Amino acid sequence: DAKTTQPNSMESNEEEPVHLPCNHSTISGTDYIHWYRQLPSQGPEYVIHGLTSNVNNRMASLAIAEDRKSSTLILHRATLRDAAVYYCILRDEDQGGKLIFGQGTELSVKP
Amino acid sequence: NAGVTQTPKFQVLKTGQSMTLQCAQDMNHNSMYWYRQDPGMGLRLIYYSASEGTTDKGEVPNGYNVSRLNKREFSLRLESAAPSQTSVYFCASSSRGRWEQYFGPGTRLTVT
Repeated sequence: DAKTTQPNSMESNEEEPVHLPCNHSTISGTDYIHWYRQLPSQGPEYVIHGLTSNVNNRMASLAIAEDRKSSTLILHRATLRDAAVYYCILRDEDQGGKLIFGQGTELSVKP
Repeated sequence: NAGVTQTPKFQVLKTGQSMTLQCAQDMNHNSMYWYRQDPGMGLRLIYYSASEGTTDKGEVPNGYNVSRLNKREFSLRLESAAPSQTSVYFCASSSRGRWEQYFGPGTRLTVT
């Protein structure tokens, strides 16, 4: 399974944008880039996914490098409720949709 | 919809005891998954079921068995619990053709 590399932790100020980076230099052509987040004492929740093009939804935006070896999750205005561990995951649909979680980035948001 | 439900929420076992963790989803999803999460770590896949009647091993299947009882329910059994199985266990489900997995609230298991 292709691996991802993320910073262990990041800090942000409330109401400012946050850019969470992810490196995936060994990504294959069939891997989709997924982001999940896990709030304290909860199960993970889906945030966004993409293949090649940048993606937007109500929660966040996903910017994917042209060579697909890196991506960035963008939270446009961080709130205190966005404090969580964010996981960048490569998912191969040919493997039953399994998610292989890494360590993730722990995001703290300061008021 | 309740989404994904897990029982029990907490459990303490002695080494060598057995137990079954229950998971149910009411979203008519085809695929279901069991993960474990150790302190400070990401989730690791134990077993998954791509569809009713099928199960496959994940990253860390040793010491566990699963049963896909029907489309709604997917149980995880520890036959002889060990302290190394102390963890938080999450169940998840997803629909074929949809991307996101939906996770339950987790079961905190301590084996002494």
